[in-house]
Amino acid sequence: SQQGEEDPQALSIQEGENATMNCSYKTSINNLQWYRQNSGRGLVHLILIRSNEREKHSGRLRVTLDTSKKSSSLLITASRAADTASYFCATDTAGANSKLTFGKGITLSVRP
Amino acid sequence: EPEVTQTPSHQVTQMGQEVILRCVPISNHLYFYWYRQILGQKVEFLVSFYNNEISEKSEIFDDQFSVERPDGSNFTLKIRSTKLEDSAMYFCASSVRGLDYGYTFGSGTRLTVV
Repeated sequence: SQQGEEDPQALSIQEGENATMNCSYKTSINNLQWYRQNSGRGLVHLILIRSNEREKHSGRLRVTLDTSKKSSSLLITASRAADTASYFCATDTAGANSKLTFGKGITLSVRP
Repeated sequence: EPEVTQTPSHQVTQMGQEVILRCVPISNHLYFYWYRQILGQKVEFLVSFYNNEISEKSEIFDDQFSVERPDGSNFTLKIRSTKLEDSAMYFCASSVRGLDYGYTFGSGTRLTVV
């Protein structure tokens, strides 16, 4: 798999349901970040989890990190139609310089 | 909430022309980045900039590209001689410390080379 590869590629759920999106990566990381992008717009930082953390919460978002499996998941609880967007995981790889490597993204559609 | 501002939002240019994409990062941020996203593809790292010099650049960032922080507030990306394949959304980002901090991205400049 590529660095920062998400699955599924597309997810369609009903409003109120939970959405789970997964990300796998290959190399050692400092942290893993999730971003959201509405169609044709910029990237919005959602949440960051450090390599020594296993779980983090922010509002309706819950992110987990398993460094042994090199994977992360983003859970959005009680989804809303406004959550419809593309979601990207991005890894900040270990090393002297910080840069993000993005996956291809997951398109989430939340039906009202 | 502080924002990263990018101008213009959309630029159309003739192949071979020079373009300058402008960004105003968040004032207390120290690390600056350019990323690009070709339509339908993943977001790709171009270059990182810290302490008035390039920290790292990708293979995409060849001699046609340059970055500058001319006046302590603006951060520009120049493409000297644009090609059709440079058409993409270009995102500027800044970070307060680089490592272990989230990035704040601008809304992007859509560059169309014709």
